[in-house]
Amino acid sequence: GAVVSQHPSWVICKSGTSVKIECRSLDFQATTMFWYRQFPKQSLMLMATSNEGSKATYEQGVEKDKFLINHASLTLSTLTVTSAHPEDSSFYICSARARMAGDYNEQFFGPGTRLTVL
Amino acid sequence: GDSVTQMEGPVTLSEEAFLTINCTYTATGYPSLFWYVQYPGEGLQLLLKATKADDKGSNKGFEATYRKETTSFHLEKGSVQVSDSAVYFCALSDLGGGNKLTFGTGTQLKVEL
Repeated sequence: GAVVSQHPSWVICKSGTSVKIECRSLDFQATTMFWYRQFPKQSLMLMATSNEGSKATYEQGVEKDKFLINHASLTLSTLTVTSAHPEDSSFYICSARARMAGDYNEQFFGPGTRLTVL
Repeated sequence: GDSVTQMEGPVTLSEEAFLTINCTYTATGYPSLFWYVQYPGEGLQLLLKATKADDKGSNKGFEATYRKETTSFHLEKGSVQVSDSAVYFCALSDLGGGNKLTFGTGTQLKVEL
């Protein structure tokens, strides 16, 4: 099946620094990538949707200046958490949707990145 | 807005036991319904799906039937194995919502010998 990777798998940073997380579709072209955030024992919450070559669409309540998303190519999207603070500590998951026909295009998920801000 | 409610875990079963994980949903349109599974250290994987009422999704011995009258999509397996230990997420995708996925909170399943 289609494979999505994320890098790094975990990161620890100091408060005030910025952290970049990469999401790559390894064997298919992803027209759309999604970024989710997951808190312990809670559901995945969609943060934003990005389409290749265009600006990301953020969900209500997500600060676009804090969570910068770039989808520069059909196989790579990045999420940059700017000026990170302890409350940004979470598990960030990306997914990628391939270019397909039909009403439903399956999303393929990355393994997630654990961010801890000290 | 759309929402998914699934039973809280963790669920602990003995091998070969019958599994049911309840899932109900609220949606304004006619959603597609999914079960995803997350094994330790891995990303979510699509386990099965159903796109219209009365459809039954099945995969790896797991089944779920799209019940519009009860707005439910319960996951079942007749005989679980230790290798089924994972977190299971119920989700919906509403075309009217741009095909975004709305997830339940996940149910952790632990199967013991």
